[in-house]
Amino acid sequence: EVQLVQSGAEVKKPGESLKISCKGSGYSFTSYWIGWVRQMPGKGLEWMGIIYPGDSDTRYSPSFQGQVTISADKSISTAYLQWSSLKASDTAMYYCARLSSGYNEDYYYYMDVWGKGTTVTVSS
Amino acid sequence: DIQLTQSPSFLSASVGDRVTITCRASQGISSYLAWYQQKPGKAPKLLIYAASTLQSGVPSRFSGSGSGTEFTLTISSLQPEDFATYYCQQLNSYPHTFGGGTKVEIK
Repeated sequence: EVQLVQSGAEVKKPGESLKISCKGSGYSFTSYWIGWVRQMPGKGLEWMGIIYPGDSDTRYSPSFQGQVTISADKSISTAYLQWSSLKASDTAMYYCARLSSGYNEDYYYYMDVWGKGTTVTVSS
Repeated sequence: DIQLTQSPSFLSASVGDRVTITCRASQGISSYLAWYQQKPGKAPKLLIYAASTLQSGVPSRFSGSGSGTEFTLTISSLQPEDFATYYCQQLNSYPHTFGGGTKVEIK
């Protein structure tokens, strides 16, 4: 079964660092991009960035560039999202998702496999 | 960044109704658009990609159309399990932005 398993809920204080994870299984982890999506409480989905575990090529949304770091360890099929200094405004659910492609006269991309999400709460 | 504007942001409908949700892009994105369904407390679920291709296992009452800047998601006959929030996403260029969402509630 293809799945992405995310690490558990985190409760942190402002200024602390954090690294959450997303482990892929059931497919070739190095052959698919993995993206991260934020959902603040009661709000919509925000695309944060994406990494290709095969060579660690990474793209960030300008809104998140410099605020978070996306990385991957292909030896253990795991992608990461990390913060060096959390803020209260980082409180949210964070999802990882696999970017797949289909061909219909062109290659089309979509996020077809999602993790269950990691809740991050930042509060003093 | 490409902005996606969904309308309406909220709609109230009854079981059996035909429902249409619109997603407008701030610039042309060809057919690089996907639709997702999200239920409370759950991860999003892919419904449609390439604007009109139904993901495997998704009921045929869901359909998508459009290209360029205007897209629609249609549910031909709303079922109780379809009450959820729906999002469009463009995958034409980075960042792969999402629309603001459309919440479909029971009338």
